[in-house]
Amino acid sequence: AQSVSQHNHHVILSEAASLELGCNYSYGGTVNLFWYVQYPGQHLQLLLKYFSGDPLVKGIKGFEAEFIKSKFSFNLRKPSVQWSDTAEYFCAVNGGFKTIFGAGTRLFVKA
Amino acid sequence: KAGVTQTPRYLIKTRGQQVTLSCSPISGHRSVSWYQQTPGQGLQFLFEYFSETQRNKGNFPGRFSGRQFSNSRSEMNVSTLELGDSALYLCASSLTRLGQGDTDTQYFGPGTRLTVL
Repeated sequence: AQSVSQHNHHVILSEAASLELGCNYSYGGTVNLFWYVQYPGQHLQLLLKYFSGDPLVKGIKGFEAEFIKSKFSFNLRKPSVQWSDTAEYFCAVNGGFKTIFGAGTRLFVKA
Repeated sequence: KAGVTQTPRYLIKTRGQQVTLSCSPISGHRSVSWYQQTPGQGLQFLFEYFSETQRNKGNFPGRFSGRQFSNSRSEMNVSTLELGDSALYLCASSLTRLGQGDTDTQYFGPGTRLTVL
């Protein structure tokens, strides 16, 4: 069965620190991969997506993610976080005609 | 383009009642998916509709049902409400069916917060 695992449920960082959120999935076929963000009081927004081509994808607000097929991973990174990045981040995998979301990682950035 | 809209935004019901939630997708989008979001279970896939047909279904009881109209608008119905159905119900639309590559990126609405008392 398809599953998505996000390694950290809560992350606390200071401004300007680097961020890496882990995401691993299990699915044997071709997948599309996504990271969504949910800012406090707002709805889910797409940060970035991978469906083919260059495994390093760049998204909005300086985020990027690298698809490593051999490791079934799609980790999200940002070199320098800002207070405004405080939000919940969801990794999602689409394979087999439905999308499975990870449990989410709550990021709190201290000003 | 207007985004995905969901109505109502908030709903309070009592156990045993039934509820209908509505979702209007982005113009031109033909696929509508529904998710249940709770603090304990996270985001869970309910079902996807495309061209007025349910294409895929998650692991939810038959009390959860839906439909899609010819204009791609979708409704979700929950019958015989239970306390555990309290959740944020999210609707997402995409240009094509899920699993179709670049065109299946989902765009989410603000959700309907359902509270069952």
